[in-house]
Amino acid sequence: DAGVIQSPRHEVTEMGQEVTLRCKPISGHDYLFWYRQTMMRGLELLIYFNNNVPIDDSGMPEDRFSAKMPNASFSTLKIQPSEPRDSAVYFCASSYFLQGSRNYGYTFGSGTRLTVV
Amino acid sequence: SQKIEQNSEALNIQEGKTATLTCNYTNYSPAYLQWYRQDPGRGPVFLLLIRENEKEKRKERLKVTFDTTLKQSLFHITASQPADSATYLCALDLLGSNYQLIWGAGTKLIIKP
Repeated sequence: DAGVIQSPRHEVTEMGQEVTLRCKPISGHDYLFWYRQTMMRGLELLIYFNNNVPIDDSGMPEDRFSAKMPNASFSTLKIQPSEPRDSAVYFCASSYFLQGSRNYGYTFGSGTRLTVV
Repeated sequence: SQKIEQNSEALNIQEGKTATLTCNYTNYSPAYLQWYRQDPGRGPVFLLLIRENEKEKRKERLKVTFDTTLKQSLFHITASQPADSATYLCALDLLGSNYQLIWGAGTKLIIKP
């Protein structure tokens, strides 16, 4: 398996523009997580999905952020309009929980470094 | 208040020695605790998971202990190598948390040749 695949690796955009980040989780994983990482705040959970259904989006900063998972192999995180304070590294992670038991950790993608100028 | 703490300063260890990293938490009752490694420009990589009823877990040169009374986990790397240099993150997995992890800020480990 190629692991969790994120694109693009780097994104530089102007304030006010729409940004779409993409993620392909590991096949067979039933949970998908979107995180944001900054030096100041560390890793922050934005939203997670179980079997393509959003379960908890309480970490999404505001209405400018939205996420979708149309099928088991693809998810997007969209920021519209983007602002300089959204600059961070955004990670997608997936995992598999066997009947509610934790036997595995999360597998993270390499992240998208977003810079909003 | 609830918090999770890791050594905020970098840990410098001589090659060949054992590196020990600490993860302390307050006001949580984790069912599991996970350790990850993160290299610059990369995502965290899962290393080990330990359950609340386990005292110790080993994987090759890695050893994790979990003391729910002290509310502490220790992460050991024996026979450390420069390639072990990275930031190490601990994460609490709370029972009934709907699979959310509570992350520490990480400790930067530097192994000197």
